[in-house]
Amino acid sequence: SYVLTQPPSVSVAPGETARISCGGDNIGSKSVHWYQQKPGQAPVLVIYYDRDRPSGIPERFSGSNSGNTATLTISRVEAGDEADYYCQVWDRSSDSYVFGTGTKVTVL
Amino acid sequence: EVQLVESGGGLVKPGGSLRLSCAASGFTFDDYAMHWVRQTPGKGLEWVSSISWNSNKIGYADSVKGRVTISRDNAKNSLYLQLNSLRAEDMALYYCAKDIGGTAAGTSHFDNWGQGTLVTVSS
Repeated sequence: SYVLTQPPSVSVAPGETARISCGGDNIGSKSVHWYQQKPGQAPVLVIYYDRDRPSGIPERFSGSNSGNTATLTISRVEAGDEADYYCQVWDRSSDSYVFGTGTKVTVL
Repeated sequence: EVQLVESGGGLVKPGGSLRLSCAASGFTFDDYAMHWVRQTPGKGLEWVSSISWNSNKIGYADSVKGRVTISRDNAKNSLYLQLNSLRAEDMALYYCAKDIGGTAAGTSHFDNWGQGTLVTVSS
């Protein structure tokens, strides 16, 4: 089955840039979506189709996808961005939806 | 405002059954595919099952195939998940999630989520 690998944690100072990777075999050929999950809350979609933002998501959130790595970038990080982040794709071979292992973003 | 409210979770013995429900409001329910996604306490997200707007396309994760049945009642704006032969590894918070389209296709993603219902499997 298709595997998406994310770093377990990323730490960043307020105002700096956080980059969260999502690695998968030829992931650049797939559409990647990203979710933010704060403690005790349901996930929230923050990026879809690699780089599009739902209404209400700040422009500080952006995405890219190429080769074997997709990346979620959070610019000018704020304390409120502290959360777990998950990437997600559809795997054609198994006709299933796959989530990444998740990355905990800590704002120092 | 889209609202998804799950119910039906609880404590069940290994081998037991549960039926989860998701009540939807704030959107035209029968225009959209729906999904169940679960999360083990302290762990990551796992897609469980999906159903198209008209129930013609249904999918299951390999981990639950043969033990789980997804269904929907568009007249009642409700989604269901029948869980049978429950195992310890099925213990999780089960979320109902709305698709961005009607067919649960390759471009599908989940633009609204409920707050989840907790399934505990223990003797």
